[in-house]
Amino acid sequence: GDSVTQMEGPVTLSEEAFLTINCTYTATGYPSLFWYVQYPGEGLQLLLKATKADDKGSNKGFEATYRKETTSFHLEKGSVQVSDSAVYFCALSDLSKAAGNKLTFGGGTRVLVKP
Amino acid sequence: EPEVTQTPSHQVTQMGQEVILRCVPISNHLYFYWYRQILGQKVEFLVSFYNNEISEKSEIFDDQFSVERPDGSNFTLKIRSTKLEDSAMYFCASSDGGISGNIQYFGAGTRLSVL
Repeated sequence: GDSVTQMEGPVTLSEEAFLTINCTYTATGYPSLFWYVQYPGEGLQLLLKATKADDKGSNKGFEATYRKETTSFHLEKGSVQVSDSAVYFCALSDLSKAAGNKLTFGGGTRVLVKP
Repeated sequence: EPEVTQTPSHQVTQMGQEVILRCVPISNHLYFYWYRQILGQKVEFLVSFYNNEISEKSEIFDDQFSVERPDGSNFTLKIRSTKLEDSAMYFCASSDGGISGNIQYFGAGTRLSVL
């Protein structure tokens, strides 16, 4: 079945550092890829998405490019802030299987940004 | 901005008791989901619901679980006889099914504590 693997945390950074969180996936169809973020005590919020190969999703300074050849969707941000401290989840949904198909999540990566 | 709302935010129950977790999805969405997150673990799919019936369920979603859309706005998850291992954060989500790449919008979650 479909699966998502992302780097384990926690990742601890200083403010203004560069952040990369690796994500790779396995899917038999043509998945859409997502990054969700969970701030402390809150639910999951969509951060960005990409629906086909070579698409780049971006939001709030974060970027991720859908790489079909390496089955990857790595999340990057050039200069993190303390407010970026959260848990980040990579996920996929394979709409070629069914409309409204479920999300399959990676294990989550906790990021802590220190001032 | 439209949002998914879940009640209660925290539910404490005794083992063997029935619980009902409630969700109000975004009004024009057609696909509804329940996920759970055991503390410190990944977000796991439980069930998806479309056109008043279950479209997919995971192996976690056994006979103790049921879902219902009792009216035009609510979407509920019932656990008939709770076990200690049901303690988790339960997230409701809704989507338009793929028009926007199947973006799923999540509620803030209900923390279920089974004693």
